Amino acid sequence: DTEVTQTPKHLVMGMTNKKSLKCEQHMGHRAMYWYKQKAKKPPELMFVYSYEKLSINESVPSRFSPECPNSSLLNLHLHALQPEDSALYLCASSQPRALSKETQYFGPGTRLLVL
Amino acid sequence: GDSVTQMEGPVTLSEEAFLTINCTYTATGYPSLFWYVQYPGEGLQLLLKATKADDKGSNKGFEATYRKETTSFHLEKGSVQVSDSAVYFCALSQKGYGNNRLAFGKGNQVVVIP
Repeated sequence: DTEVTQTPKHLVMGMTNKKSLKCEQHMGHRAMYWYKQKAKKPPELMFVYSYEKLSINESVPSRFSPECPNSSLLNLHLHALQPEDSALYLCASSQPRALSKETQYFGPGTRLLVL
Repeated sequence: GDSVTQMEGPVTLSEEAFLTINCTYTATGYPSLFWYVQYPGEGLQLLLKATKADDKGSNKGFEATYRKETTSFHLEKGSVQVSDSAVYFCALSQKGYGNNRLAFGKGNQVVVIP
């Protein structure tokens, strides 16, 4: 089973709202990722957690706050977003391996609209 | 840095036609190579992968061979169906142990006409 689940599927929020995106995997993977994807573009990496610790932050604005409560769950807390933050947010997971032998598996994404 | 180049523009073809999408890469070391597919309104699905030179990845009738001499990983399918209409991304992976990064190509929209 290579399933990554994400909730909600769609989210509409105002610029003053606080909301959270959730991601879950039960493959025993110990690395989890958040990506942002704009229409007709490839995904852009935002954050990487490895063994529940933040290992990569791609200079993402502080209005995006990731959290990894345990090895199966990954959250993305959203606050005071801008309309340009509207996008598809993808979660992925992989099992840490040496060199470049990791394979990332993606979830279905949350489509976010900021009004 | 590491990068992936996909052929420009959408690909439109008739059902049962032969599909080729070109992918070339620039990387140091020995990256793994992937093709991901994104159907309308969905996330990315791993289509196939290859982890070393001369490996052939295959799945659902799609194939790609890791060619180190030409730094290429072209995707092929012998007879496409309407259900193959999607965006296809070539990607490479470098490093590991929690610092894994994927470098994506720009993607190719494939439209299969009945």
